[in-house]
Amino acid sequence: DVKVTQSSRYLVKRTGEKVFLECVQDMDHENMFWYRQDPGLGLRLIYFSYDVKMKEKGDIPEGYSVSREKKERFSLILESASTNQTSMYLCASRTGIAAYFGSGTRLTVV
Amino acid sequence: QKEVEQDPGPLSVPEGAIVSLNCTYSNSAFQYFMWYRQYSRKGPELLMYTYSSGNKEDGRFTAQVDKSSKYISLFIRDSQPSDSATYLCAMSGPGNTGKLIFGQGTTLQVKP
Repeated sequence: DVKVTQSSRYLVKRTGEKVFLECVQDMDHENMFWYRQDPGLGLRLIYFSYDVKMKEKGDIPEGYSVSREKKERFSLILESASTNQTSMYLCASRTGIAAYFGSGTRLTVV
Repeated sequence: QKEVEQDPGPLSVPEGAIVSLNCTYSNSAFQYFMWYRQYSRKGPELLMYTYSSGNKEDGRFTAQVDKSSKYISLFIRDSQPSDSATYLCAMSGPGNTGKLIFGQGTTLQVKP
């Protein structure tokens, strides 16, 4: 069965903290994505990776970075968390047509 | 202008109604057109996809793509309360492994 696992379901962090969101897929997919989901704005692409150590900026990369050292793992890093980064973060992996999503991490920055 | 536009709703219909969900897009390079369904507190799941123009039917669901108008639709026949969810259109191209761009999502409630 296809599986994308996000390390935390809920996370509360303080302003200025460095935050790591982890995502692991077990399907040997080349492409992995990080989105954030906000009411009325839908899913907005932050970064995506099409291979190990390869990445491309999405539509809203400011304040974020990513790391993909192994094919199965794609990490999203908030360099210095701010309150406007409070959101639902969704990781996905894809090969072919379908993208498979994790259950999301609800991040609150206080 | 966003690459993909979708009316967020909410949309409320009685059980058994025909539901029409729509998206418009601006990037003529899009080749793959998808509909995802997202239940509360879950990640989106692929419902249907269409390559280029045309229609595709799967049970009560029909997806349509009109590339000349840059317009895609999802029709749900005989809607059920279990169809209550957020429906997101998504597009990609060229190629089927590149960037995947989503609409804002439409929240649908089907009332018994």
